[in-house]
Amino acid sequence: DAGVIQSPRHEVTEMGQEVTLRCKPISGHDYLFWYRQTMMRGLELLIYFNNNVPIDDSGMPEDRFSAKMPNASFSTLKIQPSEPRDSAVYFCASTTIPYEQYFGPGTRLTVT
Amino acid sequence: AQTVTQSQPEMSVQEAETVTLSCTYDTSENNYYLFWYKQPPSRQMILVIRQEAYKQQNATENRFSVNFQKAAKSFSLKISDSQLGDTAMYFCAFMKSSGANNLFFGTGTRLTVIP
Repeated sequence: DAGVIQSPRHEVTEMGQEVTLRCKPISGHDYLFWYRQTMMRGLELLIYFNNNVPIDDSGMPEDRFSAKMPNASFSTLKIQPSEPRDSAVYFCASTTIPYEQYFGPGTRLTVT
Repeated sequence: AQTVTQSQPEMSVQEAETVTLSCTYDTSENNYYLFWYKQPPSRQMILVIRQEAYKQQNATENRFSVNFQKAAKSFSLKISDSQLGDTAMYFCAFMKSSGANNLFFGTGTRLTVIP
């Protein structure tokens, strides 16, 4: 099993640009989580899906952030327009059992 | 709301020695899960150990064990026979056993194993 796959691993963009982060969960997993890690706020949940349906998006910072899961094997997190304060590591995790989440390697986003 | 507190930003231990990382949490829930995650320099988040709150017996995984004190809301991680590969950030995390399925993380403890 390849584990949770995230792309890109690193992304550098300029303020105002659109950024799309991608995640492929482990096959058969029906939960998918997006977390963000910053020095100031630590690790925090942004949104999670169950069976491709968003269940809790209360952690999404503002309207500039959106997440989709069009099918069981793919999810995107989009930031438009991006701002320097969005610089962080974004993790995707998947599972069949919420208390056993498997994390991807993360995407390090830098917005200049 | 759930909060997780790790009061030790950094710790170090000699190789082969034992070290204990502290974690306290606050919740009004009776049933929940507690976790320790390891984040090495590779950035990957790795589950080290999990404890179910309804279980009185402390969880153990090889060199890793926990001291779970439910009344005190304390959940410490003991690493025995420390190895250089244990050098990493360690995060304590909480999850309710019903309802919301997200993890609440502490701020982490950076552990360095000294050869």
